[in-house]
Parts: sequence; structure tokens; C-alpha cells
Amino acid sequence: AQTVTQSQPEMSVQEAETVTLSCTYDTSESDYYLFWYKQPPSRQMILVIRQEAYKQQNATENRFSVNFQKAAKSFSLKISDSQLGDAAMYFCAYRKGETSGSRLTFGEGTQLTVNP
Amino acid sequence: EAGVAQSPRYKIIEKRQSVAFWCNPISGHATLYWYQQILGQGPKLLIQFQNNGVVDDSQLPKDRFSAERLKGVDSTLKIQPAKLEDSAVYLCASSLWGTDTQYFGPGTRLTVL
Repeated sequence: AQTVTQSQPEMSVQEAETVTLSCTYDTSESDYYLFWYKQPPSRQMILVIRQEAYKQQNATENRFSVNFQKAAKSFSLKISDSQLGDAAMYFCAYRKGETSGSRLTFGEGTQLTVNP
Repeated sequence: EAGVAQSPRYKIIEKRQSVAFWCNPISGHATLYWYQQILGQGPKLLIQFQNNGVVDDSQLPKDRFSAERLKGVDSTLKIQPAKLEDSAVYLCASSLWGTDTQYFGPGTRLTVL
């Protein structure tokens, strides 16, 4: 079974600084997708960034980027120029690469605090 | 484009009572998911529908939980009877057939007293 581990229950960062959230996963599959979701207090899960396992290039979305290390099964999220609105719970998630769609397996989450 | 809609947003019930949650996915999304998120944990899949057929319900406690997706659009998740440990946020998500990105609704927070 696939597992996703986020070893940092809480992280904090100063506004405008950079922070990195860690995620490791375990799978025997070769084709899969990885995601970072943000969940603010409103509870709405918002997709931040996604990475296809077959792509070596790290995904980037504006101030958000990932460091995808397939051999190490590591998928960290870097937030640059942190803003107060980035404060939220961040979840790393894994999905098998099936065309018909499959479940997301989530980590336990990292609570990010942004200090002004 | 409208997002995934869920209702109610909050529900408080006594243990052994019944409760139902409703989800309306994004128009055209064939795949619908129900997740349970217990406080302090990541969401866990309860059931996945492809149109109106069940694809994965391996983690659904079938003795008390049931779900249906009539006509392949809206879905209802029911708990009967509820237990204290069912207190959680119930999230609905949907995706297009053959794509990997799931879009989530705002969730329903259930408190069982």
C-alpha cells in the first residue's frame, strides 16, 4: 500500500522569506502523480501544484516550486516570498497513474504559520 | 465555472441518529469522491464513483455508511446510525474522466455528541 509521510507537523516563516515543506512517500508503482494541496481554515482544499512522476523537471507555479527526487521518494514544496495568505494546512498527496482515476492518499499535513 | 457544492456546511447530531450529506460535482465531471477527514489528519477516501457506478469503496464502513449517485451527477452520503468516532469533515471531490486533478468542495463538518 502506498503511504505518504509529512514529518513536520508545524512550520513557521517570516513574511517575504522562503520555507520548504517536506514529504516522503512509499510506492512500488513507476507511474504516479504527486500533489500539494492547501487547506485554509475555510476547509476548502485548493490544489497548489502537481508533478508527474515520469517528468524529471520540477514543477513550478509562480512562488511555489517542488523538489522531486524520485529515487529518494521525496517531494518537497518550496514557497518563496511567503505571504500572510499562505498560512494554512498543507497536504502532500499521491495518486497512482491510472487513466480511470484513482484515490488520493494524503499525508498528515503541515500547519504553516506566516509571521508578519 | 461553478465549483463542487456541498450541503449542509455543519451538522450536529446525537449518537445513533442518522445523517445525510449532499454533493453536486463540477458539471461534466464523471468521477466523484467522498473523503473523511478526522481532525488533525489528512483526508481518507470513503468511496469513489465513476458516473453512477462504484469504483472503490474498500474503506467505506458498510455496516453504517452508504452512498449513492443517481443519474451520475449528484451524490448523497448517509450514516446510520452515527457513532462518536464519525465526527469529522466530509469532503466531496470531482474530476474529469481520465485526468488526475481532483477539485474539492468546502466540506461538511459533522459533530456527533
